[in-house]
Amino acid sequence: DQQVKQNSPSLSVQEGRISILNCDYTNSMFDYFLWYKKYPAEGPTFLISISSIKDKNEDGRFTVFLNKSAKHLSLHIVPSQPGDSAVYFCAASEGGANSKLTFGKGITLSVRP
Amino acid sequence: DGGITQSPKYLFRKEGQNVTLSCEQNLNHDAMYWYRQDPGQGLRLIYYSQIVNDFQKGDIAEGYSVSREKKESFPLTVTSAQKNPTAFYLCASSIDPAGYNEQFFGPGTRLTVL
Repeated sequence: DQQVKQNSPSLSVQEGRISILNCDYTNSMFDYFLWYKKYPAEGPTFLISISSIKDKNEDGRFTVFLNKSAKHLSLHIVPSQPGDSAVYFCAASEGGANSKLTFGKGITLSVRP
Repeated sequence: DGGITQSPKYLFRKEGQNVTLSCEQNLNHDAMYWYRQDPGQGLRLIYYSQIVNDFQKGDIAEGYSVSREKKESFPLTVTSAQKNPTAFYLCASSIDPAGYNEQFFGPGTRLTVL
């Protein structure tokens, strides 16, 4: 049973517009959430994270929103750039002494020039 | 330059052979992890180690083995018992085992079983 779900496999947006990538989770013990960006044949790179005590975290063009009651988080990229085209993974951790991450299947973002 | 190195980048093996994938980090991180990625799938945890000389099974440990004799090294052996070993393997590390730290990934090793 998938505990972290990224239900849309792909997203295409115009350069300069907003990209909104969604992620849902089922495990109520998840306490810390992360987004990673991945290019083909490379390792993922960390983008941004949020702990459950917050509902928003911002870093430059990237903002992550967390809705605990809905068990939903989203990554907003504004403005989108062609270099943002990649696969984006949502990941979650129970925090505390347990450092295991559970990943979603990823969303392929394409930013059109 | 601090980072995680994985070697080799591409690896081919014949069915029935064991193969060991290397992972080294010079970040002085305590925790290290091995993931597997298959097409259209997320990353699935194979094994992880929170401290030297200790490691735990992840979600898909069957057919794999690891060791953690040194802080900077966490090699993964894919044994002949692994039914579908062809995949992209990723090693990661985090500064400590606590669950509020991001993991940093190496460049990956693509293993193909012929």
